[in-house]
Amino acid sequence: GAVVSQHPSWVICKSGTSVKIECRSLDFQATTMFWYRQFPKQSLMLMATSNEGSKATYEQGVEKDKFLINHASLTLSTLTVTSAHPEDSSFYICSARDASGHDYYEQYFGPGTRLTVT
Amino acid sequence: QKEVEQDPGPLSVPEGAIVSLNCTYSNSAFQYFMWYRQYSRKGPELLMYTYSSGNKEDGRFTAQVDKSSKYISLFIRDSQPSDSATYLCAMSENSWGKLQFGAGTQVVVTP
Repeated sequence: GAVVSQHPSWVICKSGTSVKIECRSLDFQATTMFWYRQFPKQSLMLMATSNEGSKATYEQGVEKDKFLINHASLTLSTLTVTSAHPEDSSFYICSARDASGHDYYEQYFGPGTRLTVT
Repeated sequence: QKEVEQDPGPLSVPEGAIVSLNCTYSNSAFQYFMWYRQYSRKGPELLMYTYSSGNKEDGRFTAQVDKSSKYISLFIRDSQPSDSATYLCAMSENSWGKLQFGAGTQVVVTP
């Protein structure tokens, strides 16, 4: 089955620093990747959609200068939280879509990255 | 009003019982309906997928979609403690579009 990995799984950083989270599709090429954030006991909120080789499309209310997304290859997308603050502490989850297969609707989710900003 | 409404629970059932979950939605353009299972601190995994209205069965899981009522359901038969998780409904207008998730229902199956 399609596997998506995220690294790191958990990161603690100080307020004002930047953190980079990686999302990789391990056994398929992901033309589209999605980034979500999830607060405790709440649902996934889509932050942005990224297509390989082009700029990400951000959802309304998401600061593109704060959450930098790069989808430089068909197997790797990165989310950089710049100048992180405690309110950015959350669970960040990526998903990837394999457009080459028949199940093109399906998004395969990574295991998530827990960010804690102190 | 949220586009997708889902009761967050928790829903506690004894082992062997039928778990009944549902979501309502307001966007009549939704055509693709999915149920995901999420264990604590893990990413969601797809359980069931349905296009348009109708029923779909896969093992112990049955998904139903009633577009006329804008209502979808997931039933889990012969529930097991390992079914304890949060179940999220999700839907989209087209196969390549973004998913709109419900809040998720926490299910606890007690031995």
